[in-house]
Amino acid sequence: DGGITQSPKYLFRKEGQNVTLSCEQNLNHDAMYWYRQDPGQGLRLIYYSQIVNDFQKGDIAEGYSVSREKKESFPLTVTSAQKNPTAFYLCASIGGGQGDNEQFFGPGTRLTVL
Amino acid sequence: SQQGEEDPQALSIQEGENATMNCSYKTSINNLQWYRQNSGRGLVHLILIRSNEREKHSGRLRVTLDTSKKSSSLLITASRAADTASYFCATYFSGGYNKLIFGAGTRLAVHP
Repeated sequence: DGGITQSPKYLFRKEGQNVTLSCEQNLNHDAMYWYRQDPGQGLRLIYYSQIVNDFQKGDIAEGYSVSREKKESFPLTVTSAQKNPTAFYLCASIGGGQGDNEQFFGPGTRLTVL
Repeated sequence: SQQGEEDPQALSIQEGENATMNCSYKTSINNLQWYRQNSGRGLVHLILIRSNEREKHSGRLRVTLDTSKKSSSLLITASRAADTASYFCATYFSGGYNKLIFGAGTRLAVHP
């Protein structure tokens, strides 16, 4: 089955630690995205990548970093510089002709800082 | 910044009733999309309407778009308890941005 997988589903982090959230897709999509969602809120864009080895900051990139070494993978690192990282993180991708296509979402990772 | 703003923030109805959610946006768009999110899950695409379209149907869903008012509405007819979820509109900029901008969503509760 084609789709997007995120791991882990739940992640607990101590203050001051960096953690990396995994996002993998087998849809052969070029563009991938990371969003943050806080309780009762919409999605805010953290980073996005149109092609391999290229990525752009979204609206709330501070305290986060990404890499795009492979087309199918777009990991997100939440660094210790992110002061309020507890949230639900969603990864998404879009295929060719991005302006006219839907975004496919992964199931999300819930990060909690202890 | 959020481009789309949904209204109402929360909606509670009985099964069989219709549910209408509205979305307003600020800038020119290529298309507007509606997504659904069950609690604690990822988003699922429902419907896309292009800027040159005024109305679109998909099953029990009806979406309208008024580009002059920069607004869209999502109508769910004959609602079911399984329709309980959050619904988000997302706009795709026509200004060279390759990204969707999501609103804060409408939380719909359908009671049996």
